[in-house]
Amino acid sequence: GESVGLHLPTLSVQEGDNSIINCAYSNSASDYFIWYKQESGKGPQFIIDIRSNMDKRQGQRVTVLLNKTVKHLSLQIAATQPGDSAVYFCAELLTDSWGKFQFGAGTQVVVTP
Amino acid sequence: GAVVSQHPSRVICKSGTSVKIECRSLDFQATTMFWYRQFPKQSLMLMATSNEGSKATYEQGVEKDKFLINHASLTLSTLTVTSAHPEDSSFYICSARPHTRNEQFFGPGTRLTVL
Repeated sequence: GESVGLHLPTLSVQEGDNSIINCAYSNSASDYFIWYKQESGKGPQFIIDIRSNMDKRQGQRVTVLLNKTVKHLSLQIAATQPGDSAVYFCAELLTDSWGKFQFGAGTQVVVTP
Repeated sequence: GAVVSQHPSRVICKSGTSVKIECRSLDFQATTMFWYRQFPKQSLMLMATSNEGSKATYEQGVEKDKFLINHASLTLSTLTVTSAHPEDSSFYICSARPHTRNEQFFGPGTRLTVL
């Protein structure tokens, strides 16, 4: 996955446009992934999850795509709104780990009017 | 469903004192709880994994005698920062994993400021 502790990349998106947030994960054996949204000063909030037996999963205005070949995960947000401004983290479930997740570095999404 | 609370949400303490942070799963039983630390503009750093009724497992580099974790019931875990120093100032977040599920649900976090 992305290294923890580095600077936070920023994605600037115009309101109404679609957002695509990318994440690379580290372990080819990982079989469960979650996208979280974290607003300033708050804890992460579950957005959507996907298991490795799926390539795509859709929620309300969000779609997660999983490419196991290149160990890549993406989150697409349709018609981005000001309330979507937050930091987004991908997380992969580590195998044999009591349910521990490894988090990506995160992407700051800034929605502009 | 799957609500996790933390208390307090903010705490300011003097250097050398101890601070206890509570994490509760409100509507489910959590066999496992996790404690994270987050610095500004950075990702979550796992500190320890806490299983009900057993000793916590700490990540490499986390001092178990400084960050005491107690998971006394299936709905409550506590983190005590002992002999706090200014460098312990951070955002501490807990998460809880329901029994037989993989998702983790996060608390709202506790902002600790050590003067």
